[in-house]
Amino acid sequence: DIQMTQSPASLSASLEEIVTITCQASQNIGNWLAWYQQKPGKSPQLLIYGTTSLADGVPSRFSGSRSGTQYSLKISRLQVEDIGIYYCQQASSTPWTFGGGTKLELK
Amino acid sequence: EVKLQQSGDELVRPGASVKISCKASGYTFTNYAMYWVKQSPGQGLEWIGTIIPLIDTTSYNQKFKGKATLTADKSSNTAYMELSRLTSEDSAVYYCARKGLANNYFDYWGQGVMVTVSS
Repeated sequence: DIQMTQSPASLSASLEEIVTITCQASQNIGNWLAWYQQKPGKSPQLLIYGTTSLADGVPSRFSGSRSGTQYSLKISRLQVEDIGIYYCQQASSTPWTFGGGTKLELK
Repeated sequence: EVKLQQSGDELVRPGASVKISCKASGYTFTNYAMYWVKQSPGQGLEWIGTIIPLIDTTSYNQKFKGKATLTADKSSNTAYMELSRLTSEDSAVYYCARKGLANNYFDYWGQGVMVTVSS
């Protein structure tokens, strides 16, 4: 199975701050990588797919990138509504696997 | 608007089975596969399996073979997951999620069903 290792596990940041979350794949997954946002008490929602493409309705302050087998999610200017847990997911081969999550809180 | 409406939370006895549902609306049910996902505090998000309603084909994460059974009713646009021989390890929130068209992403999610296994 492909392991997805997210870091950090938790993160505290201020409003308007730049936030970066990373996800390391245990093997090559190409651009088959998605990010999900889970707000408190809600189900996850697709945020970014194909490493860099924003899902419908996602603000442009979110962006995704890749360097080899390391993937990054960047929030350019943190807003209150961005608080929650973020997960990466590889869509290269079954079983589809998720990272352990990054809990993003306001400082 | 795509919507996946799941059934209510369940409290079940150890050793019993439970069947949860996921009613789809806002799109053509048979055009998309459906995923099921387990979310438990210790394990994060885990893909359980996939069902393709059009041809009633299923695939499972090896970890959940024998535990989960996926079915779908095309006449009511509803997907089901039955969990059998429940133990405390099965206590979790279970989601259905639509598989993206021509990709393997989870593009819409249900609200989740909390299954609690307790005597």
